Amino acid sequence: EPEVTQTPSHQVTQMGQEVILRCVPISNHLYFYWYRQILGQKVEFLVSFYNNEISEKSEIFDDQFSVERPDGSNFTLKIRSTKLEDSAMYFCASSENGVNYGYTFGSGTRLTVV
Amino acid sequence: KQEVTQIPAALSVPEGENLVLNCSFTDSAIYNLQWFRQDPGKGLTSLLLIQSSQREQTSGRLNASLDKSSGRSTLYIAASQPGDSATYLCALDSGGYQKVTFGTGTKLQVIP
Repeated sequence: EPEVTQTPSHQVTQMGQEVILRCVPISNHLYFYWYRQILGQKVEFLVSFYNNEISEKSEIFDDQFSVERPDGSNFTLKIRSTKLEDSAMYFCASSENGVNYGYTFGSGTRLTVV
Repeated sequence: KQEVTQIPAALSVPEGENLVLNCSFTDSAIYNLQWFRQDPGKGLTSLLLIQSSQREQTSGRLNASLDKSSGRSTLYIAASQPGDSATYLCALDSGGYQKVTFGTGTKLQVIP
């Protein structure tokens, strides 16, 4: 069964450093997403991406965050200057058409900011 | 703003028991509802997807129902097994905004 692949599975970074989280969505999917889950809290929407541009973002997704689909297969989330409160599990998801077919999530990247 | 609540927050049952997990939402204008399973420290595994026009979906021992008018969905697990132990999340697509709103989750423990 097709999968969404995320790398790395765990990343530790120092506060203030830039991190890039990587995702390979399912190949025929057109909609891409990032969600995050702070330990013990709900899964929260960060951003959706379609046709090479952001279609929606949450209030969490401030200027420190950016997304990119650099080569037609990878989908990346960059955090420019990490803060302690950015420590969370980050999930990438993709969807074939965004509404009717549900979402396939990756296994997540656990980001620890120290 | 869509609010999604799952009750109970935690549930412990003996192996073999049938059980029901609940998901309540405040805005009935949804496109679909999806149930996920999350194992500790792991990703989200999709279990069932119900379109807004459907009333229920079944997969093996799992049955999910949707009642938009009352703002409720239930996930029924038949003949529970220790391997069913996980956190179960419901997630709603309210459409037009390309995002999913997750519930608070129910942590299930099935005791052998």
